[in-house]
Amino acid sequence: NFMLTQPHSVSESPGKTVTISCTRSSGSIANNYVQWYQQRPGSSPTTVIYEDNQRPSGVPDRFSGSIDSSSNSASLTISGLKTEDEADYYCQSYDSSNHVVFGGGTKLTVL
Amino acid sequence: QLQLQESGPGLLKPAETLSLTCTVSGGSISSTRHYWDWIRQPPGKGLEWIGSIFYSGSTYYSPSLKSRVTMSVDTSKHQFSLELTSVTAADTAVYYCARRSAWLDYWGQGTLVTVSS
Repeated sequence: NFMLTQPHSVSESPGKTVTISCTRSSGSIANNYVQWYQQRPGSSPTTVIYEDNQRPSGVPDRFSGSIDSSSNSASLTISGLKTEDEADYYCQSYDSSNHVVFGGGTKLTVL
Repeated sequence: QLQLQESGPGLLKPAETLSLTCTVSGGSISSTRHYWDWIRQPPGKGLEWIGSIFYSGSTYYSPSLKSRVTMSVDTSKHQFSLELTSVTAADTAVYYCARRSAWLDYWGQGTLVTVSS
């Protein structure tokens, strides 16, 4: 099986752009779609990106996703940061047996 | 609007069996396009996938929990369930149920289960 590794925390100022990485330990990142979930304190996670780079309706276009085969990683980029974006972010993918795999999560601080 | 609601005991003693039910409303649990998942989150920690069940009863379990997990579905009651045997303090977590198509698109609010003697 594989692991998805995220930075423990990132911080940036309002209005700036931040990128959170998610590196797959084995197997190609392109083999299985990557999703990104936002979890605010005390709330259930919500999807901000699915299938590598698709935004659910209602998610602002400040959120974008991509994958990079050279680094075997996925990235979530949030531009025009707002204080409301402060949350934990989790990447998620699948293994070959249709098992869900989560990254460890990244705490985003907007200060 | 689809809604999921977890229910079950909030406090267990070590070695007991955790039993939770997720009730689905506003949509069909018999969908051929969706799985029904359980995910947990220990206090202050990240998300951990427990397993999935299809309306037909087919299941997928996390390898790390497989020996202790059983999931079932009751389409007539619009419910699916989780059993986790021989719990320890390490099983203390918020347990979420969720619907999954290509991604986890609807989540319950979560229920805290504490294991303590």
